[in-house]
Amino acid sequence: AQSVTQLGSHVSVSEGALVLLRCNYSSSVPPYLFWYVQYPNQGLQLLLKYTSAATLVKGINGFEAEFKKSETSFHLTKPSAHMSDAAEYFCAVKNTGNQFYFGTGTSLTVIP
Amino acid sequence: NAGVTQTPKFQVLKTGQSMTLQCAQDMNHNSMYWYRQDPGMGLRLIYYSASEGTTDKGEVPNGYNVSRLNKREFSLRLESAAPSQTSVYFCASSESREGHLGNQPQHFGDGTRLSIL
Repeated sequence: AQSVTQLGSHVSVSEGALVLLRCNYSSSVPPYLFWYVQYPNQGLQLLLKYTSAATLVKGINGFEAEFKKSETSFHLTKPSAHMSDAAEYFCAVKNTGNQFYFGTGTSLTVIP
Repeated sequence: NAGVTQTPKFQVLKTGQSMTLQCAQDMNHNSMYWYRQDPGMGLRLIYYSASEGTTDKGEVPNGYNVSRLNKREFSLRLESAAPSQTSVYFCASSESREGHLGNQPQHFGDGTRLSIL
């Protein structure tokens, strides 16, 4: 079975600072990888997905993620945090079956 | 474009009561899922339906039943609610198949907030 580890359940950054949210997965083969964002009282929205066409994936709202096979990682970054980025972020993996596996989430706080 | 619609949005039940959470998607997706979200535990899969007419257990199926009524609708039933089932429930759908569509993401509803007293 797949597993997903998100290091740091809470991350705080200053407005304008770099955002780095970590995600590691366990898989014998590269799975399909996703990052989702959840705002309060809402469902999850797709930020970006790994498509195997490129190791650096660009998503919405200025976020990007880099797939590193040797490190089994898919960390999410944004060069400059904005107040509106405050939310919960989930990394998810999917193998060739139909099930998705989610990390436990990272709550991002942006300090003005 | 509604996407995934869940009803109700909020519900309070007493222990032992039953209820059905409804989910419908208008994207013609084959796969549908039910998750529960609890603080610090992320999303845990309750049941999923890979295609119309099939359902499978996920990580935490005990105390729940599901029905894939048709391609659009996938309902979750609590037969005898327990306080441990207090949670936020999310329905999702996906056009997930083998091959080139294998990396299609899930689309989520806004959730049902369920409290069981």
